[in-house]
Amino acid sequence: QQPVQSPQAVILREGEDAVINCSSSKALYSVHWYRQKHGEAPVFLMILLKGGEQKGHEKISASFNEKKQQSSLYLTASQLSYSGTYFCGTVPSGGSYIPTFGRGTSLIVHP
Amino acid sequence: DAGVIQSPRHEVTEMGQEVTLRCKPISGHNSLFWYRQTMMRGLELLIYFNNNVPIDDSGMPEDRFSAKMPNASFSTLKIQPSEPRDSAVYFCASSLAAISGDTQYFGPGTRLTVL
Repeated sequence: QQPVQSPQAVILREGEDAVINCSSSKALYSVHWYRQKHGEAPVFLMILLKGGEQKGHEKISASFNEKKQQSSLYLTASQLSYSGTYFCGTVPSGGSYIPTFGRGTSLIVHP
Repeated sequence: DAGVIQSPRHEVTEMGQEVTLRCKPISGHNSLFWYRQTMMRGLELLIYFNNNVPIDDSGMPEDRFSAKMPNASFSTLKIQPSEPRDSAVYFCASSLAAISGDTQYFGPGTRLTVL
């Protein structure tokens, strides 16, 4: 079942922060985050495994709340290069380990 | 490393024609995935292979779609006959091992337009 991402779209000015949420109706083993720029392929950002782990990648970090079956992606002091569509992919516990992707969140960063 | 290679990058065809999309995964990767992306449905998994064997094809829309992986370095996705609703971007991705939820590396995609 497809995870639900919110918000659907975010418009920011350079330097502002944003949070993208991903929630699932199933117990999760892991959450994957990808970013896709317009006309390009999705590119991997990070994987979070169950255990409440938080990871970071430059000024982009994420958390995973296993009990709530949710993950959040945090973009701090956003840069123009952060613009794109962010997808979460959820892997259910006891499943096939293949992520199911959400509909995506469009992030636009203005100068 | 050249990454995942897909061809063609763009395909325009007429309804009823056969379409074949091609993919070369990253060398050494054991799993290969075919996805379809549309505005309405987002990124959908069509089928994935592990060690050249199809593991889950439950995402294949209907019998008009078929996929093969004759060896570790090549896979095809065929649509016969094609219909306008098949218009989408088709991505191929590969990973070291799907069973451990490894990172997927996506190819540049094939933009298919069926008239």
